[in-house]
Amino acid sequence: AQKVTQTQTSISVMEKTTVTMDCVYETQDSSYFLFWYKQTASGEIVFLIRQDSYKKENATVGHYSLNFQKPKSSIGLIITATQIEDSAVYFCAMRDNYAQGLTFGLGTRVSVFP
Amino acid sequence: DMKVTQMPRYLIKRMGENVLLECGQDMSHETMYWYRQDPGLGLQLIYISYDVDSNSEGDIPKGYRVSRKKREHFSLILDSAKTNQTSVYFCASSLGTHQAPLFGEGTRLSVL
Repeated sequence: AQKVTQTQTSISVMEKTTVTMDCVYETQDSSYFLFWYKQTASGEIVFLIRQDSYKKENATVGHYSLNFQKPKSSIGLIITATQIEDSAVYFCAMRDNYAQGLTFGLGTRVSVFP
Repeated sequence: DMKVTQMPRYLIKRMGENVLLECGQDMSHETMYWYRQDPGLGLQLIYISYDVDSNSEGDIPKGYRVSRKKREHFSLILDSAKTNQTSVYFCASSLGTHQAPLFGEGTRLSVL
């Protein structure tokens, strides 16, 4: 069974700095898909970025990038040049070929201060 | 406009009443999902639908059933709601099972 663990409950950063958050996963499958979402204060869940397990290059979208360390079953999210609007809860999720849907971690709350 | 729409957004029901949560999408996505979100438990998959009348149980299907008679519409039904079904319910859809699901805005259900 797949499992996703986010150990950091909350992180506080100053605006315009870089924040990194961790995620480790478990799967028996050799092929899987990793996703990051954010949930805003209004409750909206927004897809940010994905990494396919067979791709060696770290995915990058805008000011979001991933640190994919396959041997460690780790997929960290890096947000550069943070803005106040980046304050949210960030969820890591995965899907392998055996699961019925995405399995989510419990989230990391990021607070960006001016 | 690519969107997943959930109705209603807020709902209060009494224990034992039936509940119908509705979800629609305008992207012809084959796969649709129902999740619930609770503090400390995160997002948990209730049901997944791979297309019309092709539904599978997720991790916590007990007490729920679903209906998908049209590709763009996926309903979650609670027969005789229980207080422990108080939660925020999210519907999502994706083009395939390996694509990132797009989430609706959620339905906050309170069962008293």
